[in-house]
Amino acid sequence: NAGVTQTPKFRVLKTGQSMTLLCAQDMNHEYMYWYRQDPGMGLRLIHYSVGEGTTAKGEVPDGYNVSRLKKQNFLLGLESAAPSQTSVYFCASSFNHGGPNQPQHFGDGTRLSIL
Amino acid sequence: GIQVEQSPPDLILQEGANSTLRCNFSDSVNNLQWFHQNPWGQLINLFYIPSGTKQNGRLSATTVATERYSLLYISSSQTTDSGVYFCAVGIVDMRFGAGTRLTVKP
Repeated sequence: NAGVTQTPKFRVLKTGQSMTLLCAQDMNHEYMYWYRQDPGMGLRLIHYSVGEGTTAKGEVPDGYNVSRLKKQNFLLGLESAAPSQTSVYFCASSFNHGGPNQPQHFGDGTRLSIL
Repeated sequence: GIQVEQSPPDLILQEGANSTLRCNFSDSVNNLQWFHQNPWGQLINLFYIPSGTKQNGRLSATTVATERYSLLYISSSQTTDSGVYFCAVGIVDMRFGAGTRLTVKP
């Protein structure tokens, strides 16, 4: 199993450009999450989804949009990239809302730089 | 929202030493997890421990929910233990601490 796969692994954008980050999981998980990690900080939740066709805001949702059209995919979009969105982005998935046998599984991250 | 504080922020050890990492949280929680982020940036689940004590090899964790803290113990540290250790609280909307960066020197 591939687990959680993030595409791309690296990307450089210019301010104002748009892009979409793709997260795919092959574990039939219901819940999926997008986080960002800035230097010296822990992860912060951007958006999450509790099932196909659903999305919800996390701690830092501004400037991002998400879609969950298929259960296995969770897309994170930046409509007009800003330098403040330079970060490492992590996707995660879990079978249910988390717990001892339902931990979040993380992808390897996408390093995004916005000039 | 809930605040999560970790200490110390940085820790340097010689191989074979023991260490204790602390996580304080500002409100009652029904979920607490410890993660290890290795030098390549990968996040690995270590423990799900909302209360009580768990052990996994050289690592163990204790959460005292009533006093709002959790401890991660690493015994006989190895260079492969290097990286950043995070605690996170919450279920769906998890809040992470800023982490403890551990460096184990050979």
